[in-house]
Amino acid sequence: AQSVTQLGSHVSVSEGALVLLRCNYSSSVPPYLFWYVQYPNQGLQLLLKYTSAATLVKGINDFEAEFKKSETSFHLTKPSAHMSDAAEYFCACGSGNTGKLIFGQGTTLQVKP
Amino acid sequence: EPEVTQTPSHQVTQMGQEVILRCVPISNHLYFYWYRQILGQKVEFLVSFYNNEISEKSEIFDDQFSVERPDGSNFTLKIRSTKLEDSAMYFCASIGGGAGAFFGQGTRLTVV
Repeated sequence: AQSVTQLGSHVSVSEGALVLLRCNYSSSVPPYLFWYVQYPNQGLQLLLKYTSAATLVKGINDFEAEFKKSETSFHLTKPSAHMSDAAEYFCACGSGNTGKLIFGQGTTLQVKP
Repeated sequence: EPEVTQTPSHQVTQMGQEVILRCVPISNHLYFYWYRQILGQKVEFLVSFYNNEISEKSEIFDDQFSVERPDGSNFTLKIRSTKLEDSAMYFCASIGGGAGAFFGQGTRLTVV
């Protein structure tokens, strides 16, 4: 069975500050890990994914995430927050590239001017 | 860029009525999914569909739910007799080419 835990339901940063959204997973098989972003009244947009290649994964809009097997983590970072980054972020885990996704609870990112 | 499209964007229905939510996945994708997100809660897996049959379903996906790919392009989710607790945002997703799941914009279902 797989599970995903996102630490912190709300994160607030100042514009230009580092963004760090935390995600820990539990999986009995090598996981595929994803980060999705959801803007208000919109669907889920894929930011990046880890599929057992490079442990540091770069995504769109300067986001990146690092897979750390020893810590069972896949935290999302961005060096400098923009106001447009304000959204809900979901970490998800799958057992393969075509399997179902198990989502975390989501983290709302607020960016203050 | 190819996208998954869902219709309608918002549906209001009376309790006990049947609803059909429609999705057009990306044309060369082979794996299709429905997820739902109750307001303020996490996104939950409902069902996956491959090769014209259900490949996996969650405990949420009971006998009131069904999926169909009637014409090779549309992918539908039917709820036979809606309950108040079916009110949620329903997302369709498709996968193909190793790029990860592409999600539609969602259908907000409100059962009154």
